[in-house]
Amino acid sequence: NAGVMQNPRHLVRRRGQEARLRCSPVKGHSHVYWYRQLPEEGLKFMVYLQKENIIDESGMPKERFSAEFPKEGPSILRIQQVVRGDSAAYFCASSPSLGDIQYFGAGTRLSVL
Amino acid sequence: TQLLEQSPQFLSIQEGENLTVYCNSSSVFSSLQWYRQEPGEGPVLLVTVVTGGEVKKLKRLTFQFGDARKDSSLHITAAQPGDTGLYLCAGLNYGQNFVFGPGTRLSVLP
Repeated sequence: NAGVMQNPRHLVRRRGQEARLRCSPVKGHSHVYWYRQLPEEGLKFMVYLQKENIIDESGMPKERFSAEFPKEGPSILRIQQVVRGDSAAYFCASSPSLGDIQYFGAGTRLSVL
Repeated sequence: TQLLEQSPQFLSIQEGENLTVYCNSSSVFSSLQWYRQEPGEGPVLLVTVVTGGEVKKLKRLTFQFGDARKDSSLHITAAQPGDTGLYLCAGLNYGQNFVFGPGTRLSVLP
């Protein structure tokens, strides 16, 4: 997966807790994308970020979900007060420029009990 | 909203058979990508097609981009169990966002 690192690989949370998913892009890539995948389905776009900026968050729920990509460190997808419907695989991808090839991480599988 | 449809949704074949899967849209894309995703892993890029009518070959895989850049096909010759996986197409729209199809889940039985 070309160097995109996501952690944790698996995350279990109880309803009402917070989930923090981390993504370190390929070195030198300044564009990060987050996707959600439900079992037996394709990828649903959530948010697109460049360093310190959210460019497109049209696919991200307005409440409880937030994302950041700070100047230093990984991109973070935060889900507050998780509910069972948040259970899914969350994938991060990075690219060197807008519209360029996206390289995917192995994903974080979130299970909400 | 731009949508990509993929067909068939599921496909189970015997080793050695040929198959074609399709990716269709009513929208025009500036380019289209095919990915394969194995269970528990992220999608891995197979190919990018850019020009209408373009055909690319990757060993036993042949990818075609429709003349109007609205559709694409993936043909696999002499399928092998290692080809098993979820095949996703993704179109890059002119707003520079990627739109993913729901995927075709291929199972190649030995």
